[in-house]
Amino acid sequence: GQNIDQPTEMTATEGAIVQINCTYQTSGFNGLFWYQQHAGEAPTFLSYNVLDGLEEKGRFSSFLSRSKGYSYLLLKELQMKDSASYLCAVREGTGRRALTFGSGTRLQVQP
Amino acid sequence: GAGVSQTPSNKVTEKGKYVELRCDPISGHTALYWYRQSLGQGPEFLIYFQGTGAADDSGLPNDRFFAVRPEGSVSTLKIQRTERGDSAVYLCASSFSGAQYEQFFGPGTRLTVL
Repeated sequence: GQNIDQPTEMTATEGAIVQINCTYQTSGFNGLFWYQQHAGEAPTFLSYNVLDGLEEKGRFSSFLSRSKGYSYLLLKELQMKDSASYLCAVREGTGRRALTFGSGTRLQVQP
Repeated sequence: GAGVSQTPSNKVTEKGKYVELRCDPISGHTALYWYRQSLGQGPEFLIYFQGTGAADDSGLPNDRFFAVRPEGSVSTLKIQRTERGDSAVYLCASSFSGAQYEQFFGPGTRLTVL
């Protein structure tokens, strides 16, 4: 099975940078995803890491270290609309497509 | 283009009743997934279809839960003898078949069992 840990809540200021960490334990890692979910809405895809290193996509970047079982999502130039839950999800095992999600980090961006 | 659609958006039922939840995936997506999400938690995997067949049903909690995708497009999640603990948001997602493709989620069906 898998164990995925991420902070429950974070607060940051508009225009600032915030890093949301995710640690995981899995017997056969096969990719890590970050999703954004606004209250009452569906999760939307942000990033995908399968190899070590940093993936950058506009204001959002995601980092993966497979040896440490660690990832982070970096959000730059925070905007009020970035207030949402951020879900870390891991795929385990070759051939499997199911994602195991963490409980999510609720980010509140303040003016 | 159209995203993943799910009907109904809300379903209220009584304990012991049977319910069906429908998912219409993005056109061209051969993979379809069902998850359920409780308040304050991340989505929990239920079942994955590749085409018409259930490729992975390891997340179904018990035999009251069943899902079909007879023509490889629309899927129906069926729950028999509903229990109050089944109350959750049921999310459907679809994707292309490769491992590198992200899953696109629908808006979900909020199921409440009284």
